[in-house]
Amino acid sequence: ETGVTQTPRHLVMGMTNKKSLKCEQHLGHNAMYWYKQSAKKPLELMFVYSLEERVENNSVPSRFSPECPNSSHLFLHLHTLQPEDSALYLCASSQEFMSEKLFFGSGTQLSVL
Amino acid sequence: GESVGLHLPTLSVQEGDNSIINCAYSNSASDYFIWYKQESGKGPQFIIDIRSNMDKRQGQRVTVLLNKTVKHLSLQIAATQPGDSAVYFCAETPGNQFYFGTGTSLTVIP
Repeated sequence: ETGVTQTPRHLVMGMTNKKSLKCEQHLGHNAMYWYKQSAKKPLELMFVYSLEERVENNSVPSRFSPECPNSSHLFLHLHTLQPEDSALYLCASSQEFMSEKLFFGSGTQLSVL
Repeated sequence: GESVGLHLPTLSVQEGDNSIINCAYSNSASDYFIWYKQESGKGPQFIIDIRSNMDKRQGQRVTVLLNKTVKHLSLQIAATQPGDSAVYFCAETPGNQFYFGTGTSLTVIP
């Protein structure tokens, strides 16, 4: 248990669906992240929030929409996804932005049909 | 972009032997390095970290070595156990973003 909880663990959706991924951290950290992990590729940073403000959007398509309502919760809203978006989506948190080790959740394995 | 690579994609070791997993990085400005372990179906788990003002750091059964001259990082696992079977990857940061390697899959043979 890393203190970062993600739901759901698995998600199958069609290209016209709208779904949301949820992340909650219980560590009192100030920064939260969304990463995409595809097979045999390095982790790809998608979004970073520091103190509830988005500080980085790493050229992610608009069909991915993040939301950070408070410092403990992070959402990733999905709509009209493509099959190539199938991947493991990982949430992480750190005490400060990009300067300390990241604590990861178990991820949501997403399949887009 | 950053290049964080690992010398071998897979590694098999006998239970009880020591394991060494290597990582090369390209950004000489990187000053913080982390090793992560990722088991099947789980997220990456922090193992050990090291800052650039050190060349060696030890944890419980794990040691990280940093050679800044050749931009090389290694993870040594002593007395490897079946529970150590996982993908291991390194991460580096010059302070503005983390760059991750693709990982080495470690298999422990009983």
